[in-house]
Amino acid sequence: AIRMTQSPSSLSASTGDRVTITCRASQGISSYLAWYQQKPGKAPKLLIYAASTLQSGVPSRFSGSGSGTDFTLTISCLQSEDFATYYCQQYYSYPQSFGQGTKVEIK
Amino acid sequence: QVQLVQSGAEVKKPGSSVKVSCKASGGTFSSYAISWVRQAPGQGLEWMGGIIPIFGTANYAQKFQGRVTITADESTSTAYMELSSLRSEDTAVYYCARVLRGVVANDAFDIWGQGTMVTVSS
Repeated sequence: AIRMTQSPSSLSASTGDRVTITCRASQGISSYLAWYQQKPGKAPKLLIYAASTLQSGVPSRFSGSGSGTDFTLTISCLQSEDFATYYCQQYYSYPQSFGQGTKVEIK
Repeated sequence: QVQLVQSGAEVKKPGSSVKVSCKASGGTFSSYAISWVRQAPGQGLEWMGGIIPIFGTANYAQKFQGRVTITADESTSTAYMELSSLRSEDTAVYYCARVLRGVVANDAFDIWGQGTMVTVSS
């Protein structure tokens, strides 16, 4: 099974900051990677798929990059509604797997 | 716009089974894979398995093989996840989720149910 490792596990940031979260796969997954945002008590929301394609309706301050084993989610200008937990997911092979999550908190 | 609506919270005894439903409304059901993902309290997301209703065959994570059964009823646009031999570690929110691109078993999930809390306690 492919293991997904996110870093950091948590971070503190202020509104307006640029935030970067990384995700590393234990083996190559091409671009079969998605990013989700989850707020407490809610289902995850798809932000990015195919490593860098923005899901419809997602603000352009979110962007994704990478291929192979190393991937990045960037929030260019953090807004108050962006404080949440973010997960990466590989769907290259069974079983699909998620990173452990990165919690973005208010500084 | 497709919505996935799940059944309500359950409280179960250790050793029993639970069956959670996920009804699709507002769009195509049969030609999109549906997966089940669970989240234990304060923990991350864990894929359990999935099914493409039009084909009817399910794939399961090895961790749950033999304990989980995922089915789909095209006539009612409903997917089901049944988990047996429940233990306290199965206490979690269970989500159904639909893939982005149709008849593709492995894909990102663009539509999620609201989640069903299953509590296993004696």
